[in-house]
Amino acid sequence: KAGVTQTPRYLIKTRGQQVTLSCSPISGHRSVSWYQQTPGQGLQFLFEYFSETQRNKGNFPGRFSGRQFSNSRSEMNVSTLELGDSALYLCASSWGVAGANVLTFGAGSRLTVL
Amino acid sequence: SQQGEEDPQALSIQEGENATMNCSYKTSINNLQWYRQNSGRGLVHLILIRSNEREKHSGRLRVTLDTSKKSSSLLITASRAADTASYFCATDSGNTGKLIFGQGTTLQVKP
Repeated sequence: KAGVTQTPRYLIKTRGQQVTLSCSPISGHRSVSWYQQTPGQGLQFLFEYFSETQRNKGNFPGRFSGRQFSNSRSEMNVSTLELGDSALYLCASSWGVAGANVLTFGAGSRLTVL
Repeated sequence: SQQGEEDPQALSIQEGENATMNCSYKTSINNLQWYRQNSGRGLVHLILIRSNEREKHSGRLRVTLDTSKKSSSLLITASRAADTASYFCATDSGNTGKLIFGQGTTLQVKP
């Protein structure tokens, strides 16, 4: 079965621009989570969507937003990019059942902000 | 920071040796998981241990959990060059979709 697919894999933007990243979860998985990974801060939780509703949100500014569609595909958007937004953005999907939260990750979207 | 700590940060061993990584966390948990990441790619789930379990095995992996000390360890026995990767512990406190990751241990296994 197909894994979690993230697009694009690599992208370069300049400060002030915005970016949209896409994630297609494993078929049947209704929960999609997003994480930011940087060398300094490690893996940090951004948000989680389940059945098109945001269920959890991390401590990121409002420039970071997301949404989930009826087919469980998800997008995240970062507006007014800053240099510090350069990171590997990882999407993960799961069944979304509390207490059995095993995540399947995509390969990530590596964003470079110049 | 909510994140836990892992030690060592880096570990270099020879093929065939055992590798032990430790993880400490801060909050109460439902379960603790270990993930592997190869060179900046996505993470792969290795093993999950529930808060009421003390030890779990999966192939060459052995995980222990001490909830009184809020710590866990991952042992990889008879390591192989293919085990070279970063290993992360992650705690699940019941917030679906949200795991708190440690800073990771980078393991190098020399052939």
